Amino acid sequence: AQKITQTQPGMFVQEKEAVTLDCTYDTSDPSYGLFWYKQPSSGEMIFLIYQGSYDQQNATEGRYSLNFQKARKSANLVISASQLGDSAMYFCAMREGLVEYGNKLVFGAGTILRVKS
Amino acid sequence: GAVVSQHPSRVICKSGTSVKIECRSLDFQATTMFWYRQFPKQSLMLMATSNEGSKATYEQGVEKDKFLINHASLTLSTLTVTSAHPEDSSFYICAWRDRINSPLHFGNGTRLTVT
Repeated sequence: AQKITQTQPGMFVQEKEAVTLDCTYDTSDPSYGLFWYKQPSSGEMIFLIYQGSYDQQNATEGRYSLNFQKARKSANLVISASQLGDSAMYFCAMREGLVEYGNKLVFGAGTILRVKS
Repeated sequence: GAVVSQHPSRVICKSGTSVKIECRSLDFQATTMFWYRQFPKQSLMLMATSNEGSKATYEQGVEKDKFLINHASLTLSTLTVTSAHPEDSSFYICAWRDRINSPLHFGNGTRLTVT
């Protein structure tokens, strides 16, 4: 079964507008972490934002915020005031289990975001 | 922030040869490293988890004799693709975690093309 599901293969957004990238996850472990990464065409993986399963508030990092709905098992990324440089592939990822060094990340299929001028 | 150096960034090799990819943490030490593979327009798939001084743990379906991982120190891990074939052409990327509850820090990846 898919652990991380990103249902939007591609998205377009107008520059300066906000966009939401969807992510749902599947786990029975009460302790987990959710991550979003950006991958530009150069291939590097850029960490954007993190949400822990026990965090009470939604995570925010500058223009990025995470809409965490635990009961629905969703962790959507919201990018506000889109910029042309936001055009990239975006991956949602999950780490299951107690926080340890060795817990691996499982990635979703990704969403390609294109920002239009 | 934690810096990870991965090289080469691109390599083209002939079928049947071996290729070594290095991944080095420059400003931190970590016991655990992850090696991922990414085919074009696809997601990152974990190949193996390596711990300093011990054997790597490979994911199901990944041939340990083909993808040799050496993690001899806290700052260096290598992935060797042995007897490479065209189907091994892919983007290989390493990742470290430098402290508990931190995100993975990725290298810049290696684009391998086997002709």
